[in-house]
Amino acid sequence: EPEVTQTPSHQVTQMGQEVILRCVPISNHLYFYWYRQILGQKVEFLVSFYNNEISEKSEIFDDQFSVERPDGSNFTLKIRSTKLEDSAMYFCASSLGQHSNQPQHFGDGTRLSIL
Amino acid sequence: LAKTTQPISMDSYEGQEVNITCSHNNIATNDYITWYQQFPSQGPRFIIQGYKTKVTNEVASLFIPADRKSSTLSLPRVSLSDTAVYYCLGSGYSTLTFGKGTMLLVSP
Repeated sequence: EPEVTQTPSHQVTQMGQEVILRCVPISNHLYFYWYRQILGQKVEFLVSFYNNEISEKSEIFDDQFSVERPDGSNFTLKIRSTKLEDSAMYFCASSLGQHSNQPQHFGDGTRLSIL
Repeated sequence: LAKTTQPISMDSYEGQEVNITCSHNNIATNDYITWYQQFPSQGPRFIIQGYKTKVTNEVASLFIPADRKSSTLSLPRVSLSDTAVYYCLGSGYSTLTFGKGTMLLVSP
């Protein structure tokens, strides 16, 4: 069964540094998403992406965050200047369509630790 | 987005059937009900979804009554590996809003 893959599985970064999290969505999917989960808390939506542009974003997704689809397979999340509170699991997801009858499929995440 | 309510935790034993009920009183006409499973340090895994009546796949069954104000996820003959958090979501488009889910603990 096709799956969403994310790299790295664990990233440790000094506060203030830039970090790029990478995702390879399911190949025929058209909609891409990033979510995060702080330890012990709920999964939170960050951003959705379609047709090479952001279609929706949450309040969490401020100017420090950006997303890109640099080629036909990768989807990246960049945090420009990391803060301690950015420490979390970051999940990438993809779906065939936008409506919820096309479910989102998640990767296993990148654990981001900011020191 | 439908606001969903589900039990915080449930306990079961291996081999039993587990039913997790979720209420979503304000579900919109175009919302589907979707259930996800999450193990520690892993991403949510899609289990099943439906609009109304009953849906069954190789993992679970989903029962949605005619008024669609609730749904029940049924896991037949659970095993220890079914210990996880289960999320019920009601959504129409794009953004998924996760609650705290139901922590299911399966014991020997």
